Amino acid sequence: AAGVIQSPRHLIKEKRETATLKCYPIPRHDTVYWYQQGPGQDPQFLISFYEKMQSDKGSIPDRFSAQQFSDYHSELNMSSLELGDSALYFCASSFGSGAEKLFFGSGTQLSVL
Amino acid sequence: QQPVQSPQAVILREGEDAVINCSSSKALYSVHWYRQKHGEAPVFLMILLKGGEQKGHEKISASFNEKKQQSSLYLTASQLSYSGTYFCGTVALMAGSARQLTFGSGTQLTVLP
Repeated sequence: AAGVIQSPRHLIKEKRETATLKCYPIPRHDTVYWYQQGPGQDPQFLISFYEKMQSDKGSIPDRFSAQQFSDYHSELNMSSLELGDSALYFCASSFGSGAEKLFFGSGTQLSVL
Repeated sequence: QQPVQSPQAVILREGEDAVINCSSSKALYSVHWYRQKHGEAPVFLMILLKGGEQKGHEKISASFNEKKQQSSLYLTASQLSYSGTYFCGTVALMAGSARQLTFGSGTQLTVLP
């Protein structure tokens, strides 16, 4: 069965650079969620999209932006990267906006040097 | 507001039982349970939608007390494969269709042979 696909798997950037993370949800899933997980911490909700519209916003810094495209894939854009942005970024998808069962991708490990 | 999980860590021998608790200060729409192994994505275990609902998945079951906004995850006759970090996720009851899944701080479960 198709799963949530995230790319890249690993990303190394330097401070003040920009990064773009991509997420391809499971086919027919219309909702995408982004989470940030620091080492030894729980996943922190960043933002979600339902039917290509932002549906909810969590602790996403102003330096980050995201969108969901017509094919339902989503991109998380991160600018002016800081050391503290180093984390595992997960994308999850579900069907419907009611936070039903979430399927997570394998994550993108971002390291900011 | 983040749900509170307890205990923070549990160490078991194979075949022993464990209970992980999750409580929220908000009225809840649903409670999710996920298991995450180190460096991997969280994996969905179950979702509880109704007050008093109980569900089971192999030897893992959960209950949801809607009035107390509490959920418990029960692991019976634990196996080595149960090791990992268990997260509860709560979705608050609120107006509108958007739902945000907020994770608890996690319970690290270690099963020893």
